[in-house]
Amino acid sequence: QVQLVQSGAEVKKPGASVKVSCKASGYSFTDYAIHWVRQAPGQRLEWMGWVNGGSGMTKYSQRFQDRVTINRDTSASTAYMELSTLRSEDTAVYYCTRGWSIDYGPGSRRFDPWGQGTLVTVSS
Amino acid sequence: DIQMTQSPSSLSASVGDRVTITCRASQSLSTYLNWYQEKPGKAPRLLIYAASTLQGGVPSRFSGSGSGTDFTLTISSLQPEDFATYYCLQTFSTPTFGQGTKLEIK
Repeated sequence: QVQLVQSGAEVKKPGASVKVSCKASGYSFTDYAIHWVRQAPGQRLEWMGWVNGGSGMTKYSQRFQDRVTINRDTSASTAYMELSTLRSEDTAVYYCTRGWSIDYGPGSRRFDPWGQGTLVTVSS
Repeated sequence: DIQMTQSPSSLSASVGDRVTITCRASQSLSTYLNWYQEKPGKAPRLLIYAASTLQGGVPSRFSGSGSGTDFTLTISSLQPEDFATYYCLQTFSTPTFGQGTKLEIK
C-alpha cells in the first residue's frame, strides 16, 4: 500500500537547523510530488512547500522561503525538508504528504496519504 | 493567500446525529476543496476531494458539497469513531487550511 514514513522526533536549540526525511513506498515516486505541512500547538495546518518527485522542481511558501529547503533522492524514494535558523515558534509536528505532479483539475489536487508526522521541538 | 474560515470552531453532538461543518473561502475556488479528519497523534485522513468526491474507503455517511466560496461537510449519522477534528483545505492556489472544527461527544 502507499505509505510515507518520516524520520524521528528532534530537539534543537534556537538558531540550529533540522532536516526531516520522508520515505515513500507503494507507488512510483517520480510520478508524484511531496508536500510539507506543519502544525504548531493550537494552530491550524500550514503548507510549507513541495518538491516534484520527477523533475526535482520546488516551490516554497513565502513565509518560509528564506529558511526552508526541500529536495529529494529518487534512488531512495525519499524527500527531505530542512528548516534553518530555528526559533521557538518552529516547534511543531511536521508532515510530508503526497500531492499531484500532473494537474488535471480539482480531482487531482489532493494530499493523500500523509506521513506519521515528526515532532520538532526548539528549546534552549 | 486565500483565507479559509471554518464554522463552527467546535461542536458537541451525539451518536446518530446529523452534523454539518461549513468552510468559506475569501475568493472563488471552483471545486478545489478537500476535507480531512484528524485524530490525536494520527496523521490527517482525506475524506472528500474536489468538494464532493468521496475518497476510497471512506464511509458513505460522509458527504461534501459546494462550489465557489461556500462548502459543507456533512456526516449523516455520527458514529463513535467520527469524534475528531475536521479541516478544509483549498488547492486552487497556494494551499491553505481552515482553522479546524473539533467535534466532541455531547
